[in-house]
This record gives sequence, C-alpha cells and structure tokens, in this order.
Amino acid sequence: DTEVTQTPKHLVMGMTNKKSLKCEQHMGHRAMYWYKQKAKKPPELMFVYSYEKLSINESVPSRFSPECPNSSLLNLHLHALQPEDSALYLCASSLGQTYNEQFFGPGTRLTVL
Amino acid sequence: GQQVMQIPQYQHVQEGEDFTTYCNSSTTLSNIQWYKQRPGGHPVFLIQLVKSGEVKKQKRLTFQFGEAKKNSSLHITATQTTDVGTYFCAARSNDYKLSFGAGTTVTVRA
Repeated sequence: DTEVTQTPKHLVMGMTNKKSLKCEQHMGHRAMYWYKQKAKKPPELMFVYSYEKLSINESVPSRFSPECPNSSLLNLHLHALQPEDSALYLCASSLGQTYNEQFFGPGTRLTVL
Repeated sequence: GQQVMQIPQYQHVQEGEDFTTYCNSSTTLSNIQWYKQRPGGHPVFLIQLVKSGEVKKQKRLTFQFGEAKKNSSLHITATQTTDVGTYFCAARSNDYKLSFGAGTTVTVRA
C-alpha cells in the first residue's frame, strides 16, 4: 500500500459546526503532515507529527486541532471555522521528518458557509 | 521556512515545444524537491536534488541544481498534454519544514 487516504473528499460546514478530517497511511511512515492549500496557491504547512508527537505547529488558530491517535492515523478537528478557512486540506506522510519525499493524500475540499 | 521564488507563474506552451521553469533562493539550499500537481489533484513528488551542479533526468524532464545551490530548474522537452499541471519546487529548512515556491502552472495548446 503506497498511498495516503483522506476522508471525506468534500465537506461543507457552518461556522458553528464541529467536524473532523481523517488521514490514513499504511506505509510505515513516522512523520505526518497537514497542509492548507488555497486556490492557485502552494500548500502551506500547518502541523507536523513525528513519531505520533506534535513536532511543528505553524501558529495555526486554535479552531484547528490536530490529533495523531497512532502511527497510521492523523485527524484534524475543526470547530467554529470562518469562511476564509475554506480550502483544500492536504495530508502527507514521509518515512521520517528528516526524509524529504512526502506522499500526499487527495485532500479534503472544505467549504465553510 | 526557506523562501524560494519560482518563475514564471504561468507557462502556455504549444504541444511539442520545450519550456523551463526556474526556482531561486537568496540563501544556499541543502536540497530542493520538485512536485507536480495536476488540475484537481494533489502534489506528487517528482525528484530531489542534493549535490551542487546535480542534473537528473526523467524521460522528457531534466532537473538541475545550481553550482551555488541557490537555484534550480526544470526543463521539459517536446511538451505533451499530459504535462499540464502546476510544478512546484520546494526547499527544506533546518527544522525540516518544507516550503513551496509559488508554482508554475502549465497549459498546453494542441
């Protein structure tokens, strides 16, 4: 299995909703990432988990809450989002945080109304 | 993170022609990566360059790392419709964060 899967593919939520994005990989990778990508822009790093511990938080607002339940799973919990948070949310993994090649999932297209 | 500038932002190419996209940094890079993102898709790793002056080829794609390790280029020969997409260079900082260039979006005229 050489892919990263993400669910759901699309998500529409109101500003008062609570939702979660899920990411899974079975490549034995020990580093996992959340990126945010706006239209016609490059991916922007949000969080990095290394060996299931939060390694990097790029000053992301607290309405985004990451969680790494085990080495294969990565969640992003969403609460009280703003319309400007609408974007493609990409999960990625790599062998380790010091390894460069990152494998990206297909992303979740999030729309906040 | 490591800042990389990428040009051009858009590249409109006639099928069969060649083109080059460039990535530049004001500081020395430890390595540089290239990713391709098809329309509606996700970034896919193409290659990593590490050594000064390194040149790597993948079929019609040629990747080069500058001698000073401050710039890189991707050259595509005989462009095909399958080359459509956005090509990103990305550099890793000392704290292992990956920073992407703005990307070059390629469209192909048949």
